[in-house]
Amino acid sequence: QQQVKQSPQSLIVQKGGISIINCAYENTAFDYFPWYQQFPGKGPALLIAIRPDVSEKKEGRFTISFNKSAKQFSLHIMDSQPGDSATYFCAASIGGADGLTFGKGTHLIIQP
Amino acid sequence: GAVVSQHPSWVICKSGTSVKIECRSLDFQATTMFWYRQFPKQSLMLMATSNEGSKATYEQGVEKDKFLINHASLTLSTLTVTSAHPEDSSFYICSARLVQNEQFFGPGTRLTVL
Repeated sequence: QQQVKQSPQSLIVQKGGISIINCAYENTAFDYFPWYQQFPGKGPALLIAIRPDVSEKKEGRFTISFNKSAKQFSLHIMDSQPGDSATYFCAASIGGADGLTFGKGTHLIIQP
Repeated sequence: GAVVSQHPSWVICKSGTSVKIECRSLDFQATTMFWYRQFPKQSLMLMATSNEGSKATYEQGVEKDKFLINHASLTLSTLTVTSAHPEDSSFYICSARLVQNEQFFGPGTRLTVL
């Protein structure tokens, strides 16, 4: 059972454009939703995270939008740059002691 | 801050041997560390939760006798792959929990079993 569904699988965006990646979850007990960026051969790096009590969080060029009723959350990358080309994973967890359940990942390519 | 290291970064071993991977939180203490496995072009799958001073909790389908986890201190957790076989070849990544839910990941260890 895939508890976190991520789309699209791959995405190509022009430099300066907005990259949008979507995730949907099934388990209403999830209460923490982070996004990670991963480059080939490296570990994931935490980009931004949100909890269900807020609908949007912005950090620099990265914004998370959260829709609790729809059980969906998305990552927006504004002014996308070639250096943003990487694989992005959404994830979810329950409480502070649980491990993360990851989406399948989105391979993002920013074309110069 | 929140730096997690892993050693080794890559290892090649013969089938049937055991391999130990270390995960360290360099600038903070982590009562909880996690071990994930990632096959090529796939997502990360949680293998086990490692709590300092107690037995690890394994996810369904992960053999605890094959993947031995020890969390002897607040900054070190080890994963030992026992009697490794080619199907165990993967990218093993640990994470350490800083506060509440936040997890910071190590750089990963590429294991190749010949």
